[in-house]
Amino acid sequence: DQQVKQNSPSLSVQEGRISILNCDYTNSMFDYFLWYKKYPAEGPTFLISISSIKDKNEDGRFTVFLNKSAKHLSLHIVPSQPGDSAVYFCAAREAGNMLTFGGGTRLMVKP
Amino acid sequence: GAGVSQTPSNKVTEKGKYVELRCDPISGHTALYWYRQSLGQGPEFLIYFQGTGAADDSGLPNDRFFAVRPEGSVSTLKIQRTERGDSAVYLCASSLLKNGFNYGYTFGSGTRLTVV
Repeated sequence: DQQVKQNSPSLSVQEGRISILNCDYTNSMFDYFLWYKKYPAEGPTFLISISSIKDKNEDGRFTVFLNKSAKHLSLHIVPSQPGDSAVYFCAAREAGNMLTFGGGTRLMVKP
Repeated sequence: GAGVSQTPSNKVTEKGKYVELRCDPISGHTALYWYRQSLGQGPEFLIYFQGTGAADDSGLPNDRFFAVRPEGSVSTLKIQRTERGDSAVYLCASSLLKNGFNYGYTFGSGTRLTVV
C-alpha cells in the first residue's frame, strides 16, 4: 500500500514555462512534507519543504502548495530551466524521523 | 567530511555471497538512515539509528539484512546470502536531531549493488 504517490512518471516542459509536479498521500498523520531532486549517480538533495500547518512555502523559483483536505501537494518551478531536469521525489514524515517517498517524477526541461 | 560518504560506490556480487556496505555520516549528525531504491521507484526505508542503537528497523525486508553502528558514527549494512532481488541502490542519510526536531536529511550518493 503506497502511502505517497506520484502518478506522473515523467513530465516535459519548455524552458521558461512553469513545471508542476504533483504528489498525493493517504496517511493523515503525516506532519511534514519535502521535495527532493535527484541527478543520476547522486543521492537525493533537499529542495523545499512544508509543514502540515501551512498551505504554501516559497523559495526563489520553487513553491510548494499543500492541500490537506485533498491530501495533495504540488511543486511549482517557474521559470523552468534546463538545469532543473532531474527526478523529483515527494516525501512525507510521520511523527518519527523516517521518510516515506513517492516513486518520483522525471522532469525534462527542453531548451 | 563535508557530506555523507558511502563505499563502495558500486558492488557486483554473486548470488549467495555476503556483502557489507559502509556509510560515513556527516560529523556530529546523531541520526543515520538506510534506504533502498529499486529501479524506477522511490527510496524505501530500511532502518534508522539514533546514536548507536537501531531506533526503528521495521523496514528491513528479512533476517538476511542487518545493520550496525557500534560507535554512533560509521554504519555498516550487512546482507547475507544475497539474492538477485537485492539488486538496488542503497542510500544512506544522516541528520541532526536536536531537541526532538530533525534538521533535515543529507543523503550520500549511494552504493549500487548488483547481484548476478
